[in-house]
Amino acid sequence: AQTVTQSQPEMSVQEAETVTLSCTYDTSESDYYLFWYKQPPSRQMILVIRQEAYKQQNATENRFSVNFQKAAKSFSLKISDSQLGDAAMYFCAYKDSSNTGKLIFGQGTTLQVKP
Amino acid sequence: DAGVIQSPRHEVTEMGQEVTLRCKPISGHNSLFWYRQTMMRGLELLIYFNNNVPIDDSGMPEDRFSAKMPNASFSTLKIQPSEPRDSAVYFCASRAGLLASNQPQHFGDGTRLSIL
Repeated sequence: AQTVTQSQPEMSVQEAETVTLSCTYDTSESDYYLFWYKQPPSRQMILVIRQEAYKQQNATENRFSVNFQKAAKSFSLKISDSQLGDAAMYFCAYKDSSNTGKLIFGQGTTLQVKP
Repeated sequence: DAGVIQSPRHEVTEMGQEVTLRCKPISGHNSLFWYRQTMMRGLELLIYFNNNVPIDDSGMPEDRFSAKMPNASFSTLKIQPSEPRDSAVYFCASRAGLLASNQPQHFGDGTRLSIL
């Protein structure tokens, strides 16, 4: 069974600095999709970024980028120029390419941004 | 564009009462998911539908939980009778496209349920 592990329950970063959140996953599939979701205190779940496993290029969305290492089954999220509004819980999620829509979520990492 | 709409946003009720949570997915989305979030268990998938048909309900904790999707624009999650351990935030999410595709799920704001 596929699993997703976020080994950092909490992280903190100084405003304007860069922080990297870790995520590893376990799968025997070769084709799959990976996502990062953000959950601020308002509790909305907001899609931050997604990556297709068949793409070698790392996905980027403004200040958010990923470091996708397929062989190592690692999918870390880098937040550059951190802002106070980035404070939230971040979830890594995995979806395989079979005929199921299910997402498998990690346990989450709480990010604190210090002014 | 309207996102996934859940109601109520908060629900407080006494143990033994019936609870009904509602969800309106994004128009045009053909898959709908119900999740439960707690501190202890994190995000758990309870059930999901594709084209209004339940595909996988293996996450439904017990017979007290039931979910329906009578049409493409509405779904309910019902707990009867409710128990204090059902207290959690319940999320509904929807997505477009084939189940095998890379389309992301879009989440509602959740319902915070407290059973006294």
